[in-house]
Amino acid sequence: AQTVTQSQPEMSVQEAETVTLSCTYDTSESNYYLFWYKQPPSRQMILVIRQEAYKQQNATENRFSVNFQKAAKSFSLKISDSQLGDTAMYFCAFMRRYGGSQGNLIFGKGTKLSVKP
Amino acid sequence: NAGVMQNPRHLVRRRGQEARLRCSPMKGHSHVYWYRQLPEEGLKFMVYLQKENIIDESGMPKERFSAEFPKEGPSILRIQQVVRGDSAAYFCASSRDRQGPDTQYFGPGTRLTVL
Repeated sequence: AQTVTQSQPEMSVQEAETVTLSCTYDTSESNYYLFWYKQPPSRQMILVIRQEAYKQQNATENRFSVNFQKAAKSFSLKISDSQLGDTAMYFCAFMRRYGGSQGNLIFGKGTKLSVKP
Repeated sequence: NAGVMQNPRHLVRRRGQEARLRCSPMKGHSHVYWYRQLPEEGLKFMVYLQKENIIDESGMPKERFSAEFPKEGPSILRIQQVVRGDSAAYFCASSRDRQGPDTQYFGPGTRLTVL
């Protein structure tokens, strides 16, 4: 069974600085997707970024980028130029690409990020 | 371009009552997923549906819980005879109609409180 681990329950960063959130996962699959979602105080789940495991290039979305290390099964999220609106819970998630349970997202427990002015 | 819609946003039920949660997927999406989030936890998969079919219900409790996604209308997650442990946020997500899984977009959730 796949598992997703986020080892940092809480983090804080000063506005305009850079922060990196860690995520590791365990799977025997070779084809899969990885995601970061954020959940602000409104509790809405918002997609931040997506990575296909077969792509070696790290995904980037504006101030958000990932460091995907397939061999190490590591998928960290870097937030540059942090803004107050980035304050949220951040969840790392795994999805199989093929086979049973494809389409099911497996989430980590989350990292609570606070951006301080 | 409406996103995933869920209603009600908040639902209060007494023990033993029934709870019905509704989810309308994004336009053009025919895959629907339900997840449950307990306080201070990540989301846990419950069930995956396409129109008129349950594809995977491996995360659904065996009793009291059921889900459907009819040909017309929203997907419904039904919880019969609710208990205090059912209190949680229930999220619906949808994805496009294509081969293989695709990115899931979430609704705002329904917060169920069982008194």
